[in-house]
Amino acid sequence: DTGVSQNPRHKITKRGQNVTFRCDPISEHNRLYWYRQTLGQGPEFLTYFQNEAQLEKSRLLSDRFSAERPKGSFSTLEIQRTEQGDSAMYLCASSDLKGTGGNEKLFFGSGTQLSVL
Amino acid sequence: DAKTTQPNSMESNEEEPVHLPCNHSTISGTDYIHWYRQLPSQGPEYVIHGLTSNVNNRMASLAIAEDRKSSTLILHRATLRDAAVYYCISWNSGGSNYKLTFGKGTLLTVNP
Repeated sequence: DTGVSQNPRHKITKRGQNVTFRCDPISEHNRLYWYRQTLGQGPEFLTYFQNEAQLEKSRLLSDRFSAERPKGSFSTLEIQRTEQGDSAMYLCASSDLKGTGGNEKLFFGSGTQLSVL
Repeated sequence: DAKTTQPNSMESNEEEPVHLPCNHSTISGTDYIHWYRQLPSQGPEYVIHGLTSNVNNRMASLAIAEDRKSSTLILHRATLRDAAVYYCISWNSGGSNYKLTFGKGTLLTVNP
């Protein structure tokens, strides 16, 4: 068990550029979540997948945000035409649904810190 | 998800016990109480969870009030590595309640 891996750890970009982050969940975890965290706040839910199906995406912050999880393995989060307000930590988490209902445990990666100049 | 209320910050001394309180007066009968913590520059980390009975694991203990309207996370001997933001969340991921919703948590400072 190598944990949830996120790349890159840090990303600096200029306003208007597109960025893509990658998340590799724990092997055989079938649920994958994306969160965003700004300074001093708790993580904010964005979207989640069960296997390759994106079951909730209404919390994505705008149509500039999109996420994919081809073949139910790794996932990518893309932000198009970045804005300074997109600067935040983007966190990925996975779970295996061995625990159902209230017993589900999320395992988080260390996040990708995005800075938009 | 039921709203939880936690103190913004708490302070402890190394090797002393720490009791982190959480109020969840509107919790539903099927929601579990989960605790996660977040160390600086890291993603959140699962600590412990429970439904009605008190729970123990290698990291901490969780004491749940009989009426389930409050709970306390207990760190038996705080170390400097326990300095983190601790989040108390009431949650049941069954049905449409799929997302773990974080508040601002309690920032725990551990003094040497």
